[in-house]
Amino acid sequence: GQNIDQPTEMTATEGAIVQINCTYQTSGFNGLFWYQQHAGEAPTFLSYNVLDGLEEKGRFSSFLSRSKGYSYLLLKELQMKDSASYLCAVRDGTSGSARQLTFGSGTQLTVLP
Amino acid sequence: GAGVSQSPSNKVTEKGKDVELRCDPISGHTALYWYRQSLGQGLEFLIYFQGNSAPDKSGLPSDRFSAERTGGSVSTLTIQRTQQEDSAVYLCASSSDLYEQYFGPGTRLTVT
Repeated sequence: GQNIDQPTEMTATEGAIVQINCTYQTSGFNGLFWYQQHAGEAPTFLSYNVLDGLEEKGRFSSFLSRSKGYSYLLLKELQMKDSASYLCAVRDGTSGSARQLTFGSGTQLTVLP
Repeated sequence: GAGVSQSPSNKVTEKGKDVELRCDPISGHTALYWYRQSLGQGLEFLIYFQGNSAPDKSGLPSDRFSAERTGGSVSTLTIQRTQQEDSAVYLCASSSDLYEQYFGPGTRLTVT
């Protein structure tokens, strides 16, 4: 089974940097994903990590430590449009299908002017 | 190109009625997933289709829920004898590989 934990809410100021943490416990591991979801909209893909280290993509970076069961999403130069829910999801490598994702409950980020 | 589409966008039904939700995946995507999201919650996996393989139904919450995928493309999620706890947003996603899943806009189901 899977257990994914992330903070429920975070607040940050426009132009600042924010780090959203995610810890997971899994019987197998085959990748960690971050998705962004604006209110009333579908989730959109942000990043994918399967090896330890930092993946950078513009203002967004994602880090993974498999030994610690830990990931974070780093958002730089925050903009008002970054206010959204950020979902951490883990793919279990031990299941037969090995493709379904288990999602955390999401972290609601509010960016203040 | 066209993304994942779902219909209807909103569905209000009375308790005990059956509902059908439809998903049109991105053309050429062999994998299709159904999730549901209750208010303020994360996504809950329901069912997964991959090509012609038998679907992974491990996430379906009860035998009132079923899904099929015709011709390896369009999928229908059916909920029989709906209950109030079935109220949620039902999201469909498709994928062509092991990485990114592309989500549709969802169907908001309200059971009264």
